[in-house]
Amino acid sequence: DGGITQSPKYLFRKEGQNVTLSCEQNLNHDAMYWYRQDPGQGLRLIYYSQIVNDFQKGDIAEGYSVSREKKESFPLTVTSAQKNPTAFYLCASRMTGTNYGYTFGSGTRLTVV
Amino acid sequence: AQSVTQLGSHVSVSEGALVLLRCNYSSSVPPYLFWYVQYPNQGLQLLLKYTSAATLVKGINGFEAEFKKSETSFHLTKPSAHMSDAAEYFCAVSDFGNNDMRFGAGTRLTVKP
Repeated sequence: DGGITQSPKYLFRKEGQNVTLSCEQNLNHDAMYWYRQDPGQGLRLIYYSQIVNDFQKGDIAEGYSVSREKKESFPLTVTSAQKNPTAFYLCASRMTGTNYGYTFGSGTRLTVV
Repeated sequence: AQSVTQLGSHVSVSEGALVLLRCNYSSSVPPYLFWYVQYPNQGLQLLLKYTSAATLVKGINGFEAEFKKSETSFHLTKPSAHMSDAAEYFCAVSDFGNNDMRFGAGTRLTVKP
């Protein structure tokens, strides 16, 4: 079955460390997105990519970085510059030119220890 | 710019009672509207979507929503709540092609036995 796989499901980071969250899709979707979810704040867009080798900042990109070297993959790195990284991170994808909405992964919960 | 406002961060109903989750949108272009459901520590799952074909939209699990342009609303309803409906629900709005989807803050639904 096609879908989006996020790994790991739980991740613990020490202060000052960079960590990378994985997002892989086999839906042949063009666009991919990273969202951060905090209680009571809904989903906030971190970065998105509409095509390979191109990506744009979302509303809260500071302290994060991404790459899009392959259509299937859109990893997110949470850098030490992100002051409050503890959150639930969601990856999504969609087929451009359609109104089917987004398909979401199951998320990664990042905790700073 | 597009946005959605979900009225009520927490709604509690008894099993078998009507479920009504409120969503109002703001959009400068014809909106495409979505409702997603999220169970604890999981990603978002599409419940239903409005893409201008019909104002009353039926989704999965017995949910439906009605697009009312005059009220800029897209409220989600279900005639009879089930314990398994307990989850967080997100309303979202986008433009044609879903290029920029904006999510509400979410409404947590509790179902009492």
